[in-house]
Amino acid sequence: EDKVVQSPLSLVVHEGDTVTLNCSYEVTNFRSLLWYKQEKKAPTFLFMLTSSGIEKKSGRLSSILDKKELSSILNITATQTGDSAIYLCAVEGEWAGGTSYGKLTFGQGTILTVHP
Amino acid sequence: DAGVIQSPRHEVTEMGQEVTLRCKPISGHDYLFWYRQTMMRGLELLIYFNNNVPIDDSGMPEDRFSAKMPNASFSTLKIQPSEPRDSAVYFCASSFRGLNQPQHFGDGTRLSIL
Repeated sequence: EDKVVQSPLSLVVHEGDTVTLNCSYEVTNFRSLLWYKQEKKAPTFLFMLTSSGIEKKSGRLSSILDKKELSSILNITATQTGDSAIYLCAVEGEWAGGTSYGKLTFGQGTILTVHP
Repeated sequence: DAGVIQSPRHEVTEMGQEVTLRCKPISGHDYLFWYRQTMMRGLELLIYFNNNVPIDDSGMPEDRFSAKMPNASFSTLKIQPSEPRDSAVYFCASSFRGLNQPQHFGDGTRLSIL
């Protein structure tokens, strides 16, 4: 069974700090790894990392995929209070039914709290 | 562009009642997913559709749960009869499978079964 583990489960920092969130996975036939940010409502998409794109960056956020170590990190520099959220890591693996779309398995999330 | 639209946003009902959750995917998306999120189990996939056809429902917890997608712009998740342990946030997501497009989520339905 596919498995995704995130650490830490929660993190409290002050504005301006840099944080690193971790995600490790076990999956059959890895296809992609995704990061989502969830505030009070819907998870919103941040990054997708595949074998052909192992590093992504958007503003203060960046993510790296390490296929050898079966893990990924999400870095947030110069944190702001608006970064407070649950960060979800999900891995797409092969569906048991052999369809063209891989099943997403989510980790339990990291709760990030940024204090002013 | 309108995102994934779910209704109702909140639902409170008594045990034993039928509950119907609704979802309108993003126009042009050919995949639709139903998820359930709880503190204990996190975000779990219940069922997904491709071109309105259910592909895998192995995540549906039991026969009390059913889902339909009568057309490309509408899907329902029904629980009958509902039980307190069904209380959770239910999310619908949609995606277009071309070029590694990610899933986009609706705002969810917060369901409370008393």
